[in-house]
Amino acid sequence: GESVGLHLPTLSVQEGDNSIINCAYSNSASDYFIWYKQESGKGPQFIIDIRSNMDKRQGQRVTVLLNKTVKHLSLQIAATQPGDSAVYFCAESRSNDYKLSFGAGTTVTVRA
Amino acid sequence: NAGVTQTPKFQVLKTGQSMTLQCAQDMNHEYMSWYRQDPGMGLRLIHYSVGAGITDQGEVPNGYNVSRSTTEDFPLRLLSAAPSQTSVYFCASRTRDTQYFGPGTRLTVL
Repeated sequence: GESVGLHLPTLSVQEGDNSIINCAYSNSASDYFIWYKQESGKGPQFIIDIRSNMDKRQGQRVTVLLNKTVKHLSLQIAATQPGDSAVYFCAESRSNDYKLSFGAGTTVTVRA
Repeated sequence: NAGVTQTPKFQVLKTGQSMTLQCAQDMNHEYMSWYRQDPGMGLRLIHYSVGAGITDQGEVPNGYNVSRSTTEDFPLRLLSAAPSQTSVYFCASRTRDTQYFGPGTRLTVL
């Protein structure tokens, strides 16, 4: 079946640098995308979302970019901090369908 | 407002045993779901419910049952546990725009 996936399973980032986490999706009918952060031993936590009528959305230190042409989603974290170390998942769904499909996740490690 | 709560946090079962994972939410969300998370994989949908009395299968429903008698509660039942069901289980509830996850139940089947 169609699914959402992430390009890299791990990412090591120097503290203070910007992080970019990528995600490719294959379902062209998907029109709602979410990024989650999961810390060790905890459930996923909502970070930011974007709908397909937008190509960029900003939050606090985070930006999500959506390129529908190539079915690509990215999460940018500005000035990465040690507390940003976690596994990051992208998820997608379609309008009027509450079900989410998750990618495999990218583990981000922040180096001091 | 406790959000989504799950019990127990940890559980060890023997093959063939049955048990129920509890999930409750106090946000009056209609939509609730169960996921399992295995090492190196994303979350996979087991079952979901769009409201009291309504449930449906997700991606990996075999070996699990659910019921939704109230808006608040959405228990997940393992009928006859198998080692392949060793996993971390997450319950979630959501509005149209935001999904909230519980803290998870780590299940080991020997």
